[in-house]
Amino acid sequence: SQQGEEDPQALSIQEGENATMNCSYKTSINNLQWYRQNSGRGLVHLILIRSNEREKHSGRLRVTLDTSKKSSSLLITASRAADTASYFCATDSGANNAGNMLTFGGGTRLMVKP
Amino acid sequence: DVKVTQSSRYLVKRTGEKVFLECVQDMDHENMFWYRQDPGLGLRLIYFSYDVKMKEKGDIPEGYSVSREKKERFSLILESASTNQTSMYLCATVQSFIYGYTFGSGTRLTVV
Repeated sequence: SQQGEEDPQALSIQEGENATMNCSYKTSINNLQWYRQNSGRGLVHLILIRSNEREKHSGRLRVTLDTSKKSSSLLITASRAADTASYFCATDSGANNAGNMLTFGGGTRLMVKP
Repeated sequence: DVKVTQSSRYLVKRTGEKVFLECVQDMDHENMFWYRQDPGLGLRLIYFSYDVKMKEKGDIPEGYSVSREKKERFSLILESASTNQTSMYLCATVQSFIYGYTFGSGTRLTVV
């Protein structure tokens, strides 16, 4: 079952603009992660934010987490054509032997036009 | 960097065949996972393993089995392939929850 739901499902912007993607989830979490997937390839881990953190930065990426609203957002600033990909949020609820099984949302398809 | 290698990028199999998808990691990670990815459904967990010879069912284990005889290798087995198992299969590994998963490049399986 999907824990995270991304919004929007698809986003098209011009190069240089900022892109914001949102993720909502249902149950309490240990952490929330964002991944990127280029067409037909595996996922690449971008950033992890723990449940006691509110904001985190990595290069042009900024992630926020609001546990009271059970939501997160991923902001990509000054987008480039190379940022064109699908972006997924994933939540770790820690409710299993591995302690870190992730549940993924359906993803946001981002297209950055040159 | 951790490398996760899936044996095939593309695979075409016939209905009823037994299919093996192999995943090998080169970093001593305890935890390994198999997901399938379908349009509109995102990634769904099939099976995971947190140690050699240990396995746990994920959300959609029906029609699949797994094998983990060695720490570095986690195999997904389709006992009798069916057309509804046509999908992208992704293997992933992680050592600790403070890090993200490392994924393989995926195997796009078509069952005809």
